[in-house]
Amino acid sequence: QPQLQESGPGLVKPSETLSLTCTVSGGSISSSSYYWGWIRQPPGKGLEWIGNIYYSGSTYYNPSLKSRVTLSVDTSKNQFSLKLTSVTAADTAVYYCARRGSSWFLDYWGHGTLVTVSS
Amino acid sequence: QSALTQPASVSGSPGQSITISCTGTSSDVGNYNLVSWYQQHPGKAPKLMIYEVSKWPSGVSNRFSGSKSGNTASLTISGLQAEDEAIYHCCSYVGGSTLEFGGGTKLTVL
Repeated sequence: QPQLQESGPGLVKPSETLSLTCTVSGGSISSSSYYWGWIRQPPGKGLEWIGNIYYSGSTYYNPSLKSRVTLSVDTSKNQFSLKLTSVTAADTAVYYCARRGSSWFLDYWGHGTLVTVSS
Repeated sequence: QSALTQPASVSGSPGQSITISCTGTSSDVGNYNLVSWYQQHPGKAPKLMIYEVSKWPSGVSNRFSGSKSGNTASLTISGLQAEDEAIYHCCSYVGGSTLEFGGGTKLTVL
């Protein structure tokens, strides 16, 4: 069973770039059966899908965030990453990384990391 | 505002059955059998409970079942237990290589 772990700064200033990395253990990120993605949850609110990436680098983004989001993958480190530019307080959330199956379900999740946008 | 509509809260007594609905449109829930359900306890990551409308991941109790009729998907929990108290999120593929979540439903076990 794969394990996913998010890492990155817990505090980001407004207008700057949020950067997070997800490290996958117990399985290869290069598996042809899965995609890897990010989901966020503002405090007290519901889940929001951010996007997915395949080990080859193919990406799929939430249209509402597409202009500010970049996903990347490093197969040598078994990691994938999220960059969100021009952040505001509305981007404050717990950010989760997850594995996505071919039928668009998310079967393994990281524990989540809280990112606060504040000066 | 979520494109998928869930009731904000539902409640039930131990041993009873409850159903949580997830209403979309003919372009998303009604068009794809790619609805999944997640259970989330406070301070924890979501856990996959149902995928492809009605399939169980390994290790999930068969007290949880999923179904779909038209543009509405449903999660039914039978034999309600105290540990089932959590927030339940529905999720659907909505086309254009995009996923959408519902707003979440808080289940209270009385």
